[in-house]
Amino acid sequence: QVQLVESGGGVVQPGRSLRLSCAASGFTFSAYTMHWVRQAPGKGLEWVSVISYHGSNKYSADSVKGRFTISRDNSKNTLYLQMNSLRAEDTAVYYCARDLGGYCGGDGCYPRGMDVWGQGTTVTVSS
Amino acid sequence: QSALTQPASVSGSPGQSITISCTGTSSDVGGYNYVSWYQQHPGKAPKLMIYDVSNRPSGVSNRFSGSKSGNTASLTISGLQAEDEADYYCSSYTSSSPWVFGGGTKLTVL
Repeated sequence: QVQLVESGGGVVQPGRSLRLSCAASGFTFSAYTMHWVRQAPGKGLEWVSVISYHGSNKYSADSVKGRFTISRDNSKNTLYLQMNSLRAEDTAVYYCARDLGGYCGGDGCYPRGMDVWGQGTTVTVSS
Repeated sequence: QSALTQPASVSGSPGQSITISCTGTSSDVGGYNYVSWYQQHPGKAPKLMIYDVSNRPSGVSNRFSGSKSGNTASLTISGLQAEDEADYYCSSYTSSSPWVFGGGTKLTVL
């Protein structure tokens, strides 16, 4: 069945780095735009980053721009989120999600929404 | 990248209908038909309920419907059931971001 499984979360000190992974199965991963979305404890959903199906086009929220990098390896059916210079406010559950089929290219990114979600992985930034 | 505006909470009795609003601008909700709604139960991942303003994914009850007027989108749940109690989030394409979520609405079934 269609599935996304995140991993790589944990407790990390402020200023350190962490890489999250999202393993996809049950669908043609290389055909879909993919997202990372996070949710701080007791708070709402916050969109983090999106990557085109081929990996050449990426966009991120201002809150993580310059610190987080989204990437993918279509040969491994895996999405990544490299998180550097972590801050306490990055503490959250991080979800990967598949886009419904929006277009994302060099001239812009037009997502349509997220139809498949992983179960989430928890990142805690604390000294 | 301001979040879309939703009421913090709504409530209704079983069998009733409720509507959750989601207000944005002409740069997001009002300018494009890429509005979607998500249901999230405590400790669970979000679930897509409505996409492209008013379309339901396969498997989602027809008690859920979506609409849009100007810069405001709405999610209506008819025939309210206890299992509908959850948090609901709207989201939209935005020309500046390219994606934004609403702040979320807690639905209580009385």
